[in-house]
Amino acid sequence: KNEVEQSPQNLTAQEGEFITINCSYSVGISALHWLQQHPGGGIVSLFMLSSGKKKHGRLIATINIQEKHSSLHITASHPRDSAVYICAVSGSRLTFGEGTQLTVNP
Amino acid sequence: DAGVIQSPRHEVTEMGQEVTLRCKPISGHNSLFWYRQTMMRGLELLIYFNNNVPIDDSGMPEDRFSAKMPNASFSTLKIQPSEPRDSAVYFCASSLGLAADSYEQYFGPGTRLTVT
Repeated sequence: KNEVEQSPQNLTAQEGEFITINCSYSVGISALHWLQQHPGGGIVSLFMLSSGKKKHGRLIATINIQEKHSSLHITASHPRDSAVYICAVSGSRLTFGEGTQLTVNP
Repeated sequence: DAGVIQSPRHEVTEMGQEVTLRCKPISGHNSLFWYRQTMMRGLELLIYFNNNVPIDDSGMPEDRFSAKMPNASFSTLKIQPSEPRDSAVYFCASSLGLAADSYEQYFGPGTRLTVT
């Protein structure tokens, strides 16, 4: 079993839909990161959180430390949100999930 | 700021050759990370430095891999000899501090390595 598991692996949505990507982990962590990797390959850090909730524009990230679970929400999704979203947890070292491929169709 | 700079962006080499990947972190950042991304294994941390000192190299796959950070503005990842299974995208990232729970990491554009 992977230490970090994301679901779904692939997600296709229509423009405007509310999107949720989930991340569960099995190790003790001090923080969780959400990264976005665009089709060109570049990686951008979206959020780093250790408790509660953070919001940036249309993106919201939440974490429940007791349940070892985090969610990334995208409101009013847009085709430019199409990317791979990667969850990573920092315990003794940074461990990555396999990513969720999101495609938003116009 | 130009962000994290990596070179080359693409490298194609033959098996057995030495490969050197280069990274310039964001000025003022004191932690530097090397990652490898493959379809099979996803993103993996290879090694990270803090204040130019290697802190954790347990992710380095074999003795064929080595990394150095001679000063705060430059790091190299070397593979010698290279093998086809080393084909991957190698990312460098930097951050203001060491703790992954306190500091956001900024990624470079990556080097796509192909070993034939």
